[in-house]
Amino acid sequence: DQQVKQNSPSLSVQEGRISILNCDYTNSMFDYFLWYKKYPAEGPTFLISISSIKDKNEDGRFTVFLNKSAKHLSLHIVPSQPGDSAVYFCAASARTGANNLFFGTGTRLTVIP
Amino acid sequence: ETGVTQTPRHLVMGMTNKKSLKCEQHLGHNAMYWYKQSAKKPLELMFVYNFKEQTENNSVPSRFSPECPNSSHLFLHLHTLQPEDSALYLCASSQDTASGGNEQFFGPGTRLTVL
Repeated sequence: DQQVKQNSPSLSVQEGRISILNCDYTNSMFDYFLWYKKYPAEGPTFLISISSIKDKNEDGRFTVFLNKSAKHLSLHIVPSQPGDSAVYFCAASARTGANNLFFGTGTRLTVIP
Repeated sequence: ETGVTQTPRHLVMGMTNKKSLKCEQHLGHNAMYWYKQSAKKPLELMFVYNFKEQTENNSVPSRFSPECPNSSHLFLHLHTLQPEDSALYLCASSQDTASGGNEQFFGPGTRLTVL
């Protein structure tokens, strides 16, 4: 049973607008969440993370929001740029245990110039 | 070389062949991981090594055999695979596994096709 879910397989956004990618999780033991970005023919690259003690973490154009009660997190990209077009994976781990990451199936973001 | 490298990038093999995937990390990390990514499925953790010791085997069939001779190198030995084993195999590394939440750094993957 999937513990991390990304229900939107794809998203298209106009350049300059906001991209919002969503992720839901089921395991209440998860306390650390990460977003990875993947271009074709490359491995996933770490983008941004958030600990469960926070509800927001910002890094430049990228902001991750965490709603623990809803077991939901989202990644906001603003303004979106064509170079942001990639597959975005949400991942979660329980830091009290091993550093095992549980991944979602990914959302393909296309930023239209 | 920097980061995490994987060879070969593409591999086609028959069900009776024996082959190996290689991963090398140049980051000074102590933990290494094998993941499998099948079409339309999330990345699935297969094996974890921490300081050369296997700490996780996620119910992987014995036709996949990992080897970690040192903290920088990780192999995945393949034998008598099935067509459903065709997937992208990704290697990753992190500082270690003890302090959870370490970001994992991924290689580009090996695209495996089993005929």
